[in-house]
Parts: sequence; structure tokens; C-alpha cells
Amino acid sequence: EDQVTQSPEALRLQEGESSSLNCSYTVSGLRGLFWYRQDPGKGPEFLFTLYSAGEEKEKERLKATLTKKESFLHITAPKPEDSATYLCASYGQNFVFGPGTRLSVLP
Amino acid sequence: GAGVSQSPRYKVAKRGQDVALRCDPISGHVSLFWYQQALGQGPEFLTYFQNEAQLDKSGLPSDRFFAERPEGSVSTLKIQRTQQEDSAVYLCASNKQYNTEAFFGQGTRLTVV
Repeated sequence: EDQVTQSPEALRLQEGESSSLNCSYTVSGLRGLFWYRQDPGKGPEFLFTLYSAGEEKEKERLKATLTKKESFLHITAPKPEDSATYLCASYGQNFVFGPGTRLSVLP
Repeated sequence: GAGVSQSPRYKVAKRGQDVALRCDPISGHVSLFWYQQALGQGPEFLTYFQNEAQLDKSGLPSDRFFAERPEGSVSTLKIQRTQQEDSAVYLCASNKQYNTEAFFGQGTRLTVV
């Protein structure tokens, strides 16, 4: 059975304090690893897709990386507007989501 | 439309009542997914359609849950005889093909009282 875990469960950062979120996955036949951002009361918003180990994608202050067992979402010099829950999802037979990391960035 | 549209946004149902939740995916998207999201949790897979075919319904929690997509576009998730544990946000997502990013709607928050 495909499984996705994320750590930490919650993270509080000061504005400008860089950090990384972890996503560990166990999937037979991974066909993609996806990162989403979810704000309260809204549906998940797509950020990145990674397809193979070693691949990296960047967007503004975010960079996603992928290994054979993990993916990391690096946040460089975060701002308060980056506060949200970040979800990763593996795609094997279908999308399996992790529980998310709740990020709070304090001004 | 420009995005995935779900209706209603909020639904309050009395225990035992039947409900129907609608999802209008992005035009041309072949695949459609339904998820259930409890407060503070990640989305949990319910079911998956490719066009009108329901290819995976392994996540439906009981036979009270039923989903359809008769013409390969709009989908309806029906819950019969609702129970309090059915209270959650129900999310719909669609994508162009099997391994591309899925785009989500805003969700329907169901509260069973």
C-alpha cells in the first residue's frame, strides 16, 4: 500500500529564517511526486511536480527536490504570506497525500 | 470554466438525510478524483474516474457512498443516510492525464447534525 508521511507536523519560523519540510514516501511504481499549498477554507493549490530522483524545481522562495525515498521543500527567507499547510502527494496508482506540514511565518 | 467548481460550498444535513455533492471539472480533463478531508488532516482518496468509467472506488468508506460521472464531465458524490462521522470537507480534483498535476476545487464542507 502506498504511504506518504510528512515532517514536521508544524513549523514556526521567523520572517527570513530558511528551513526545509520533509516528505517520505513508499510507493510501488512512482509516477510523480507533487507539492501543494493549502490555505484555510480552500482547496489545495498546485506548486510542483517531480518525476525522477535528482530533479529540482524552483518557484520564488520555494525549491522542491526529490530522492528515491524522500522529497524536500526548501523555503528560503520566508515571508508571512508563505504561512499555509504544505501537502505532498505521491502518484502511483492514484494520488496519496501526506498529512501536511502547517507552516507559520512570524513577522 | 477556468477552474474546478464544486457546489454547494457548505451543506448542513440532519443525520439520516441523503446528500448530493457536485463537481464540475476543468473542461477537457479526463481524470476526476474525489477526496475526503477531515480537519487538520491531509486529503484521503475516495474514488477516481477516467472519463465516465469509475476505475477505482477503493477509498469509499461504506456502501452509503456512491459516485457517478455519467457523461465524462460533471460528477456527483452521493451519501445516503448521512452519519456524524461523514462530516468533513469533500474535495474534487481533475487532471489532463494520469501523471500530471491535479487541480482542486474549493471543496464542499459537509456538517451532519
